[in-house]
Amino acid sequence: DIQMTQSPSSLSASVGDRVTITCRASQDISNSLAWYQQKPGKVPKLLIYAASTSQSGVPSRFGGSGSGTDFTLAISSLQPEDVGSYYCQKYDSDPPTFGQGTKVEIK
Amino acid sequence: EVQLVESGGGLVQPGGSLRLSCAASGFIFSDYSMHWVRQAPGKGLEYVSAIGGYDGRTYYADSVKGRFTISRDNSKNTLYLQMGSLRAEDMAVYYCAREMGGWKYYDFWGQGTLVTVSS
Repeated sequence: DIQMTQSPSSLSASVGDRVTITCRASQDISNSLAWYQQKPGKVPKLLIYAASTSQSGVPSRFGGSGSGTDFTLAISSLQPEDVGSYYCQKYDSDPPTFGQGTKVEIK
Repeated sequence: EVQLVESGGGLVQPGGSLRLSCAASGFIFSDYSMHWVRQAPGKGLEYVSAIGGYDGRTYYADSVKGRFTISRDNSKNTLYLQMGSLRAEDMAVYYCAREMGGWKYYDFWGQGTLVTVSS
């Protein structure tokens, strides 16, 4: 099975900072990658699919990029409401696998 | 409005069984493949199982294959997960999720139901 590795596992940044989270696949997955946000105590929410397509209603400060094996989720200007965990997920083939998550906190 | 409402979670002894349900509304249920995803306390997300909308084709993570059975009743707009031979490592919040666009990622999630495996 293809493994998904996220880094960092956690980060702390100031409001207004640009934040980037990376996700690496153990094999080429083309652009079959999604990103989710899970706020504390809440249900996961789809942010990005097809590596770079934003889901309807997602703030424009969230952006995804990459293809093949290396992907990035960027938050252009971190806001207090962005606190939570972020997960990448590959979906090119079974099983659809998640990364281990990145916890984002405000400094 | 799309809604997914899970039920059936609870406390079960190791080796026991439990059936989860997910009631769907606000969309044509039979048009969508549906999934179960779980999250152990303080841990990340883990795919569990999936079922096709019309063909009912099923898929399972290796960790649950042979112990869990996914099914659906399109006449009742309900998804099920029959869990058997439960282990401590199956303890988690179980979410049902709707597959988006024919690809195995999820645009809507239920609120989750907690399964606790303990003696």
